[in-house]
Amino acid sequence: GQNIDQPTEMTATEGAIVQINCTYQTSGFNGLFWYQQHAGEAPTFLSYNVLDGLEEKGRFSSFLSRSKGYSYLLLKELQMKDSASYLCAVRGNTPLVFGKGTRLSVIA
Amino acid sequence: ETGVTQTPRHLVMGMTNKKSLKCEQHLGHNAMYWYKQSAKKPLELMFVYSLEERVENNSVPSRFSPECPNSSHLFLHLHTLQPEDSALYLCASSQVATSGNYNEQFFGPGTRLTVL
Repeated sequence: GQNIDQPTEMTATEGAIVQINCTYQTSGFNGLFWYQQHAGEAPTFLSYNVLDGLEEKGRFSSFLSRSKGYSYLLLKELQMKDSASYLCAVRGNTPLVFGKGTRLSVIA
Repeated sequence: ETGVTQTPRHLVMGMTNKKSLKCEQHLGHNAMYWYKQSAKKPLELMFVYSLEERVENNSVPSRFSPECPNSSHLFLHLHTLQPEDSALYLCASSQVATSGNYNEQFFGPGTRLTVL
């Protein structure tokens, strides 16, 4: 089976850095995705990792360790608009399986 | 229209009604998905169509019936639903590589369904 764990909620201050962790167990592994979902809106793609290491895209970076079944999403220079849910999703031998999401609140 | 569109955006129905949700993708993708998103629960994959063929059905009750007439359109037919079926129903599309790998999914805005 597949299991994905991420914290339910996090709070961080505007301008700070926050790291959202994700651990997974999956049958086969064909990539890990991070999505952002604002309240009442559809998820939007943020990043994709299939090899170990760090992928950087502007203020957002995502890290993967396949041997540890672990990923994190790093958000730098936080802005109020970054308040959203962040979904970790893993592609094993099937299409994506999503975690429950981490609700991030950015405060002034 | 661009991306993935869904209609209606909001739907209220009684348990004896029959309704359909519609999804259309304008991205040239060859796979389409239905997800259910309930409060405090992860996105639940309901159905996957790849090249218009249903490739996955995650033990979804028969009161939900999908239809994929072509690679751009996907429907979810609803009948005799229960109040616990109230949720956000999201459609997504992606491109499936010849290797069989599924690439990133693009989501529609969803249909907020309330069953009374």
